[in-house]
Amino acid sequence: DAKTTQPNSMESNEEEPVHLPCNHSTISGTDYIHWYRQLPSQGPEYVIHGLTSNVNNRMASLAIAEDRKSSTLILHRATLRDAAVYYCIRRYGGSQGNLIFGKGTKLSVKP
Amino acid sequence: NAGVMQNPRHLVRRRGQEARLRCSPMKGHSHVYWYRQLPEEGLKFMVYLQKENIIDESGMPKERFSAEFPKEGPSILRIQQVVRGDSAAYFCASSRPGTREETQYFGPGTRLLVL
Repeated sequence: DAKTTQPNSMESNEEEPVHLPCNHSTISGTDYIHWYRQLPSQGPEYVIHGLTSNVNNRMASLAIAEDRKSSTLILHRATLRDAAVYYCIRRYGGSQGNLIFGKGTKLSVKP
Repeated sequence: NAGVMQNPRHLVRRRGQEARLRCSPMKGHSHVYWYRQLPEEGLKFMVYLQKENIIDESGMPKERFSAEFPKEGPSILRIQQVVRGDSAAYFCASSRPGTREETQYFGPGTRLLVL
């Protein structure tokens, strides 16, 4: 059980921002939110993760709701190369072990 | 720094043969995970290994599948007497011990086709 809920698919236009939502209403205080993406015919790729504060890196931004029951992955300017399945994953803080992938959101980017 | 390497990238086997999939983790990583992705499905965890130890094999099928991560050399996922249902993409991931949030880095996968 992935324990996160994401829309099955989303569409975006190239060079426009994309907001990918994730619901994790049963999250506990020590769970981190991780995002991975999987481009066609490739292995998953780490995107970003956070706990409580919003996070930015070169790939994306992660906005976490104040109650932590939801989060949004933000791609500031979508490119064709960003077309992928995006997975939002809860991870217990400090834990090692497997990732539990749900179905993710399939993002299509139109030129 | 080379990423996670998997070989072969593509493997074709006939029913009843054995398949051996190899995974070399990133430098400095001693944790290895294997995941399977059936056609048009999501990724499912199979096994988690540290050097010379199986930590969690709760996702491994009970028969025909085994995994190892020896002190030297790559991790091996072995499938004996393959059946058509084993056709899938097999991904290996590695991580570095001691990192709190433990990001996993994935290889490009081995695509197994059983004829």
